[in-house]
Amino acid sequence: RKEVEQDPGPFNVPEGATVAFNCTYSNSASQSFFWYRQDCRKEPKLLMSVYSSGNEDGRFTAQLNRASQYISLLIRDSKLSDSATYLCVVNMSSRLKVTFGTGTKLQVIP
Amino acid sequence: DAGITQSPRHKVTETGTPVTLRCHQTENHRYMYWYRQDPGHGLRLIHYSYGVKDTDKGEVSDGYSVSRSKTEDFLLTLESATSSQTSVYFCAISESGGQNTEAFFGQGTRLTVV
Repeated sequence: RKEVEQDPGPFNVPEGATVAFNCTYSNSASQSFFWYRQDCRKEPKLLMSVYSSGNEDGRFTAQLNRASQYISLLIRDSKLSDSATYLCVVNMSSRLKVTFGTGTKLQVIP
Repeated sequence: DAGITQSPRHKVTETGTPVTLRCHQTENHRYMYWYRQDPGHGLRLIHYSYGVKDTDKGEVSDGYSVSRSKTEDFLLTLESATSSQTSVYFCAISESGGQNTEAFFGQGTRLTVV
């Protein structure tokens, strides 16, 4: 089993739709979690950290479920500019054991 | 944007030749990383550095070496390039190694080994 797993998609959604991605992780000792965004042929950039209590940034909501070992990203009112690949990142117990998921591709269509 | 640049941005090289990729930062961050990104594998850590002359292996370090003689520069060397090392290479930096520290990535180097 991979340490971090994501559905690769692609998720094709119309503008204005709500879309959610999940990411599962295998190591229960994982301590911090992030979502990164990567545009085509560009570098990954931090979208948001994921806190135990859940957190929201505008149209984006991230949640953590430790019992089931997954994190989620919800995007409301999708925009064309949201089209990208979303990478789940899990930081294991040691500071440099950071594992990236393979990414979920989102395509928002007019 | 964080001050991090990679060079070259694109390179085609022949099997068996040595190749060096450079990562340069202007942020004075302590931690620097080299990743490779391949379809179906995501980003995988090759080597990292936690200070000048302090480096360690990541999960896919075979065939690669690194050096960090100055805070701002982190070099990745493919000692004898193979076709399996065709990939996109990203350098990243972070201010600390703390668990909640954001990593900033360079724009990537597309390396093709023929």
